[in-house]
Amino acid sequence: DGGITQSPKYLFRKEGQNVTLSCEQNLNHDAMYWYRQDPGQGLRLIYYSQIVNDFQKGDIAEGYSVSREKKESFPLTVTSAQKNPTAFYLCASSRDFPETQYFGPGTRLLVL
Amino acid sequence: GNSVTQMEGPVTLSEEAFLTINCTYTATGYPSLFWYVQYPGEGLQLLLKATKADDKGSNKGFEATYRKETTSFHLEKGSVQVSDSAVYFCALSDRNTDKLIFGTGTRLQVFP
Repeated sequence: DGGITQSPKYLFRKEGQNVTLSCEQNLNHDAMYWYRQDPGQGLRLIYYSQIVNDFQKGDIAEGYSVSREKKESFPLTVTSAQKNPTAFYLCASSRDFPETQYFGPGTRLLVL
Repeated sequence: GNSVTQMEGPVTLSEEAFLTINCTYTATGYPSLFWYVQYPGEGLQLLLKATKADDKGSNKGFEATYRKETTSFHLEKGSVQVSDSAVYFCALSDRNTDKLIFGTGTRLQVFP
């Protein structure tokens, strides 16, 4: 089955800790995206990548970092500089822009 | 800049009622328009899309028509079911920035 997987489903972060959220796709898509969703709100774009070894900041990149070393993988690191990280994080991919984006099941990040 | 405006929720309906969720947009050029659905605790799924004026997207009994003259893409369904309860997001493709612009989402609650 083709699709996007995100892990873990729930992640707990301690103060001052960096954590990494995994996103993998086997759809052979070139473009990948990270969004943040807060309760009762829409999606905000954190980072996106249109091709391997290249990525751009989205609207709320501060406190986050990404890498795109492989076409299939686009991990997101939430750094200690992100002071309000509690949210639902969604990864997506698309063949190209403005093609349909396909979303993973999400990771909920909570702060201890 | 480009933007999407959705009606505030929640929308509360009885089973078999008619559904309309309003979506209007502001955009330069000719964006593609999308409706995504998010079930509780899950990622977003594409519901339907339209790529040019007067196109009608349809899926699972839902429909939306790309109206350039009124800059609208309203979602409709003739007879809703309890299983349609979810949050619905309208979105447009911003060809200037290669990003999807999402509305804030509209929660639909259907009661038996």
